[in-house]
Amino acid sequence: DGGITQSPKYLFRKEGQNVTLSCEQNLNHDAMYWYRQDPGQGLRLIYYSQIVNDFQKGDIAEGYSVSREKKESFPLTVTSAQKNPTAFYLCASSITGGSGEQFFGPGTRLTVL
Amino acid sequence: KQEVTQIPAALSVPEGENLVLNCSFTDSAIYNLQWFRQDPGKGLTSLLLIQSSQREQTSGRLNASLDKSSGRSTLYIAASQPGDSATYLCAVRHGNEKLTFGTGTRLTIIP
Repeated sequence: DGGITQSPKYLFRKEGQNVTLSCEQNLNHDAMYWYRQDPGQGLRLIYYSQIVNDFQKGDIAEGYSVSREKKESFPLTVTSAQKNPTAFYLCASSITGGSGEQFFGPGTRLTVL
Repeated sequence: KQEVTQIPAALSVPEGENLVLNCSFTDSAIYNLQWFRQDPGKGLTSLLLIQSSQREQTSGRLNASLDKSSGRSTLYIAASQPGDSATYLCAVRHGNEKLTFGTGTRLTIIP
C-alpha cells in the first residue's frame, strides 16, 4: 500500500531533551513537509524539502531541525530550544510541479512533561 | 501575507440536509485550493483540489467551487450523513509549493 507513515503516534518528552519524529513515504514524491497543529489554529509550516539533501525553513522553524538524506524519509528533530513543543505534528508529501496535491500522514502527538 | 479564514468555526445540522462550508483568502494570486477532512486525532484526508483556472470540482456528494477574483471557495455537501462529522480545512497553494491553511470548520451531523 502506498502512503505516508509517522512514528511514534504518541511521544512524551522531558524538558531539555531533543526528540526525533519519523516520517516515511513510499509514494515516490519529491517534496516533503512538516506542519505543526495547535488547538484553534491552522496548520503552520515548520520545514519543507523539494529534493534530497535540500530543505527550506517554513514559518515557524525556530527550535526545529530536519534532514533529507533519502527521498523516502524526512525526520524532524524537536530541540530543547523549542519553547512550547507540545502539539500535533503532521508530515505531508507531494510531487513537485503538477497539481502539487499534498497527502498527509496520521500525525504524532508530542507532549512535554 | 496570505490569510485564510473559515467561518463558522463550528456548525451543527440535522442528518439529510445539504450544507455549505466557506473559505475566504486575501491574496487572489493562488495556484490552487485544496479541501481536507480531519477526524479527531488523525491526519488530513484530501477531498478535492481546484486549480486556479477551474470554477468547481465534484466528488460524489461533495462539490467545491472557487471564485478567485473575490477570494472565496465553498464546499457543498449534499444529503449529509453522521459519518460526515469531522473538521474541514481549506488551504491555498502559492507558486512556491507552500500551503496556507484556514483554521477549519468543525461539522457535526445530528442523527
